Amino acid sequence: GENVEQHPSTLSVQEGDSAVIKCTYSDSASNYFPWYKQELGKRPQLIIDIRSNVGEKKDQRIAVTLNKTAKHFSLHITETQPEDSAVYFCAASLPGANSKLTFGKGITLSVRP
Amino acid sequence: KAGVTQTPRYLIKTRGQQVTLSCSPISGHRSVSWYQQTPGQGLQFLFEYFSETQRNKGNFPGRFSGRQFSNSRSEMNVSTLELGDSALYLCASSLVRDREQFFGPGTRLTVL
Repeated sequence: GENVEQHPSTLSVQEGDSAVIKCTYSDSASNYFPWYKQELGKRPQLIIDIRSNVGEKKDQRIAVTLNKTAKHFSLHITETQPEDSAVYFCAASLPGANSKLTFGKGITLSVRP
Repeated sequence: KAGVTQTPRYLIKTRGQQVTLSCSPISGHRSVSWYQQTPGQGLQFLFEYFSETQRNKGNFPGRFSGRQFSNSRSEMNVSTLELGDSALYLCASSLVRDREQFFGPGTRLTVL
């Protein structure tokens, strides 16, 4: 089955700097890659997603890039703010009957004021 | 539109007991997935239901089961509870499969 790994497991940045979180996946047939943000004590919420027919997607300060050849995708957050501090999960999904989200173990992002 | 709701929010059980958790998806959503969240392990997929049928199952023992009703509400059951079953159980709904999933607040299960 699919396996998703996130690196690093923790990341600390200064407010205003950029943060990059990388994920790798194992099954080249995966075609959907969402990113979820989970603040302390709250439910995970989708912040951005990308499909395999697209190489990059942006939404204000957040962007996701996908490299299908290398089987990795990254979350980019620019001009980080303290409210960006949270756990970020990447996930990958196979299409069709095997469709299910396989999540990475999460990365804790801390933004220092 | 009301979000995904889960009941109860907290549960304390003892080893050997069984428990049933409930999830009400967003109105119109037909797919419901269940996840177990533990520190350091992230979100682990339990199963997915779509139109009252289990479509996919994760690598959990048979003590974990679920079902979905005609109104798309879903329940999961864990029998013969073990200490290691202590976790946050999240359900998520989506309009159709392979689309954005919206999570509920979770049920915090503690097994003593």
